[in-house]
Amino acid sequence: DIVVTQSPDSLAVSLGERATINCKCSQSVLYSSNNKNYLAWYQQKPGQPPKLLVNWASTRESGVPDRFSGSGSGTDFTLTISSLQAEDVAVYYCQQFYSSPSAFGQGTRLEIK
Amino acid sequence: QVQLVESGGGLVKPGGSLRLSCVASGFTFSDYDMTWIRQAPGEGLELISYIRYGGAGSPYYADSVKGRFTISRDNAKKSLDLQMDSLRADDTAVYYCARGGTHYFDSWGQGTLVTVSS
Repeated sequence: DIVVTQSPDSLAVSLGERATINCKCSQSVLYSSNNKNYLAWYQQKPGQPPKLLVNWASTRESGVPDRFSGSGSGTDFTLTISSLQAEDVAVYYCQQFYSSPSAFGQGTRLEIK
Repeated sequence: QVQLVESGGGLVKPGGSLRLSCVASGFTFSDYDMTWIRQAPGEGLELISYIRYGGAGSPYYADSVKGRFTISRDNAKKSLDLQMDSLRADDTAVYYCARGGTHYFDSWGQGTLVTVSS
């Protein structure tokens, strides 16, 4: 099974500053036949279910603000929030769906400094 | 719009049973894999079971629930169920119904809390 590890476990960033969350998979999630990375990012605010932000490593879901961006390929991925807003306080999870069963990272808690 | 509504959670004693349901609306239910994902208090996300859209292949179960939980779906009723038997304290969690199975999960229900305690 592919193991997914996020870093850091928690992060405090000032409003308006950049936040960066990393996700590492124990093996490549890049499918060579279609050149797609089978990785997604989710945001979970307190008391709410997770919300899909990014799929295929870098495709934002409809309605997701463009301050959120996903990047990376193969085994190493990043979710970047370019200018942190108060409403971005949440736990963020990455998920690999290259192999079944898919697996989530342990989550990164993002707070305001 | 896509909506998933779970029900059936509650307090149950160790060794007991509970049946969760998820009713879908706003999309063609029969076209999608469906999944149960749980989240223990203060913990991360655990995919516990999914069932394919056309019923192809056997459902998937995580080792933590294999042999105790059974997933099923009724495409006519647009519903997804999870029969949970031989419940243990470590099954205590919020259980989410999510659209998707072998890929990403693009819609989630609000969740239903299951508490296993004597």
